[in-house]
Amino acid sequence: AQSVTQPDIHITVSEGASLELRCNYSYGATPYLFWYVQSPGQGLQLLLKYFSGDTLVQGIKGFEAEFKRSQSSFNLRKPSVHWSDAAEYFCAVGARGNQGGKLIFGQGTELSVKP
Amino acid sequence: GAGVSQSPSNKVTEKGKDVELRCDPISGHTALYWYRQSLGQGLEFLIYFQGNSAPDKSGLPSDRFSAERTGGSVSTLTIQRTQQEDSAVYLCASSFGAVQETQYFGPGTRLLVL
Repeated sequence: AQSVTQPDIHITVSEGASLELRCNYSYGATPYLFWYVQSPGQGLQLLLKYFSGDTLVQGIKGFEAEFKRSQSSFNLRKPSVHWSDAAEYFCAVGARGNQGGKLIFGQGTELSVKP
Repeated sequence: GAGVSQSPSNKVTEKGKDVELRCDPISGHTALYWYRQSLGQGLEFLIYFQGNSAPDKSGLPSDRFSAERTGGSVSTLTIQRTQQEDSAVYLCASSFGAVQETQYFGPGTRLLVL
């Protein structure tokens, strides 16, 4: 069965520090992978996605993620965190084939940023 | 311009009542999805529409839940005989196609069943 695990429920980093949010997936084939961000009271916004090709993908707001097939991981990174990055982050796997493109989400990681 | 819109933004109802939640997708988007976000279960897929048909209803939690889409546009999610465990934020998303397309999410409807 398809699943996504985000091992860290809550992370706190200092402003200006680097960030890595972990994501591991279980899927029977090469997955489509996504990172979404949800700010308080806001909808989900796509940060970046991986479908194929270069395993290092760049997204909005200075985020990047690296697909590692051998580790079944798709970790999100940012070199220098800003206070406005405080939000909840969701990793997701996208289904292929005749299931359409439904997303299977991890439980989310809440990011707090210390001044 | 618009993004995905959902109404109402908040809904409080009594246990046993029926509720209807509405989603207006981005114009031209053929695929539409409903998800549910709750404290205990996280973000869960409910149903997927391609045009007016629903090839994947596998996420609907019980037969009290149903959804339809008309004119390839607006979708309504109906919950009959609501229960307290139905309390959640119901999110709608749309995309140009299905696989490989970015899903754009609406702000959600927060449902509270008393």
